[in-house]
Amino acid sequence: AQSVTQLGSHVSVSEGALVLLRCNYSSSVPPYLFWYVQYPNQGLQLLLKYTSAATLVKGINGFEAEFKKSETSFHLTKPSAHMSDAAEYFCAVTFMDTGRRALTFGSGTRLQVQP
Amino acid sequence: KAGVTQTPRYLIKTRGQQVTLSCSPISGHRSVSWYQQTPGQGLQFLFEYFSETQRNKGNFPGRFSGRQFSNSRSEMNVSTLELGDSALYLCASSSGGSNYEQYFGPGTRLTVT
Repeated sequence: AQSVTQLGSHVSVSEGALVLLRCNYSSSVPPYLFWYVQYPNQGLQLLLKYTSAATLVKGINGFEAEFKKSETSFHLTKPSAHMSDAAEYFCAVTFMDTGRRALTFGSGTRLQVQP
Repeated sequence: KAGVTQTPRYLIKTRGQQVTLSCSPISGHRSVSWYQQTPGQGLQFLFEYFSETQRNKGNFPGRFSGRQFSNSRSEMNVSTLELGDSALYLCASSSGGSNYEQYFGPGTRLTVT
């Protein structure tokens, strides 16, 4: 069975500091991995995706993530935090199989950005 | 392209009632998935429809059902509502091909009293 673990339910950084949100996955077959962001009272917005091409993936708003198979990780980073980055972030995984789209989500990490 | 739309955005129902939520996917997308988001359980997959057929189903009771129409619009229905059904219900659309990206709507906030 596939699963996703996000370490740290809350992360606080200063504006301009490095953002690092951790995600580890468990999957018996090659995974597709995603990061989504959710602002209050809104749906989920896709930040970036890994679908077996380049292991370093660049997304929107300056975010990027690196797929590390040996560590079963897909951590999200941003070199310099902005106040507008304050939101909840979800890592998700699905299978590269018959085309079914069910995403398994982590429990989320709430990012707080201090001025 | 217009994004995923969900109606209504907010809904208040009483225990025992039933409710129907609607989702219109991005134009050209044939796959629609539904998710439930609660503070306690997080984001959980309900079901996926592709070309009017349920292709995948999560671990929810039979009170939760859905359907998809020929124009790819989808509805989900919850019968005999329970307090625990209070949640944000999110719809996501995908092209259904080799692209696994899912695009989410703003959700319907259901409150059961």
